Amino acid sequence: DAKTTQPPSMDCAEGRAANLPCNHSTISGNEYVYWYRQIHSQGPQYIIHGLKNNETNEMASLIITEDRKSSTLILPHATLRDTAVYYCIVRALLTDSWGKLQFGAGTQVVVTP
Amino acid sequence: DGGITQSPKYLFRKEGQNVTLSCEQNLNHDAMYWYRQDPGQGLRLIYYSQIVNDFQKGDIAEGYSVSREKKESFPLTVTSAQKNPTAFYLCASKKDRGGYGYTFGSGTRLTVV
Repeated sequence: DAKTTQPPSMDCAEGRAANLPCNHSTISGNEYVYWYRQIHSQGPQYIIHGLKNNETNEMASLIITEDRKSSTLILPHATLRDTAVYYCIVRALLTDSWGKLQFGAGTQVVVTP
Repeated sequence: DGGITQSPKYLFRKEGQNVTLSCEQNLNHDAMYWYRQDPGQGLRLIYYSQIVNDFQKGDIAEGYSVSREKKESFPLTVTSAQKNPTAFYLCASKKDRGGYGYTFGSGTRLTVV
């Protein structure tokens, strides 16, 4: 699985868009980009995933660059409840290793009033 | 509602004692996982199981043991051989080999006293 690089922390004002970057320069053609978040003392929660096209769901949007070497998770209108650690993970959809969801340190996002 | 239940939420153990963490899911998921999280760190895989009566070691299996006698249950035993067991333990499940769709429990915080 490709490694990812994320900033350790970022702040965002409530109501504004939060743009979370992720670098994955060694991503291979069959690897997807997944985003999870973990609110303090809870289990991680799936947010969104994509291969090469931009994706949007009720929680967020995912923008993947054309060369697929980086991506941005966008929380369109951040709320205080979006304060969490956000993890960017790159992984093939089907893999012999069922359990290898590699979580790095992620980005601590703090949404302020 | 379907989900994963981990119990207890907080657990205290004396040095030298074994302790078992419970994980139960009613999602009819095939695969189940145990992760460990230390403060400020990402998740590390301890064990995972794809089917009943079968499980594989993850990256940090030493000092831990598991069983998978039922599809719904995947208990983790932290043995006295685990040198630094104080951590946040997360159980997860997934329907199949696809990379998204992990469901996590709310975790058990184990403290050795």
